[in-house]
Amino acid sequence: ELKVEQNPLFLSMQEGKNYTIYCNYSTTSDRLYWYRQDPGKSLESLFVLLSNGAVKQEGRLMASLDTKARLSTLHITAAVHDLSATYFCAVDPKSTDSWGKLQFGAGTQVVVTP
Amino acid sequence: GAVVSQHPSRVICKSGTSVKIECRSLDFQATTMFWYRQFPKQSLMLMATSNEGSKATYEQGVEKDKFLINHASLTLSTLTVTSAHPEDSSFYICSARDRPGQTNEKLFFGSGTQLSVL
Repeated sequence: ELKVEQNPLFLSMQEGKNYTIYCNYSTTSDRLYWYRQDPGKSLESLFVLLSNGAVKQEGRLMASLDTKARLSTLHITAAVHDLSATYFCAVDPKSTDSWGKLQFGAGTQVVVTP
Repeated sequence: GAVVSQHPSRVICKSGTSVKIECRSLDFQATTMFWYRQFPKQSLMLMATSNEGSKATYEQGVEKDKFLINHASLTLSTLTVTSAHPEDSSFYICSARDRPGQTNEKLFFGSGTQLSVL
């Protein structure tokens, strides 16, 4: 059974500082997603990481994937209030038949304060 | 880009009634769609895989007679919560995959449906 562990579950950020969210998973996969969710809303896709060593950046967010360590990180640079949200990582099992059948981490609630 | 439309966005119903939620792929054909449920302050849990033209595949612990899934066309999957009870109150989200198996394959999520059962 695929397990996805995300930490921390809650992250209080100070504006202007850097932080990292970690996502560990238990079985082989080379397809990992990061999503943002605002209260009462659906998921906003941030990154799709498809190979070992993949690194993607968008604005203040950067995500990376190490398939050997089964670890992905979401790095936030110089946090701003607009980044307050819940962030989820999700892993797709390495199987063509089940592609798209995501196992989500518990989510990290991010609150950015001045 | 490809969009997945989900309706309604919010529904309030009385206990014992049935509620239908639609998930529609607007500019691509989706042979497979997925239904998730999210309770407040929790993560998303996969409920079932909806397959066009065949029976849905349900995750362990999900009652297939309570959560009826129909995927009658390549662009529409419906989830019907039958005889809804307050414990079924949740945020339901669908997703659909575009161009599966291809290098430019993508996964899209609907906007979600907040179900409140009184």
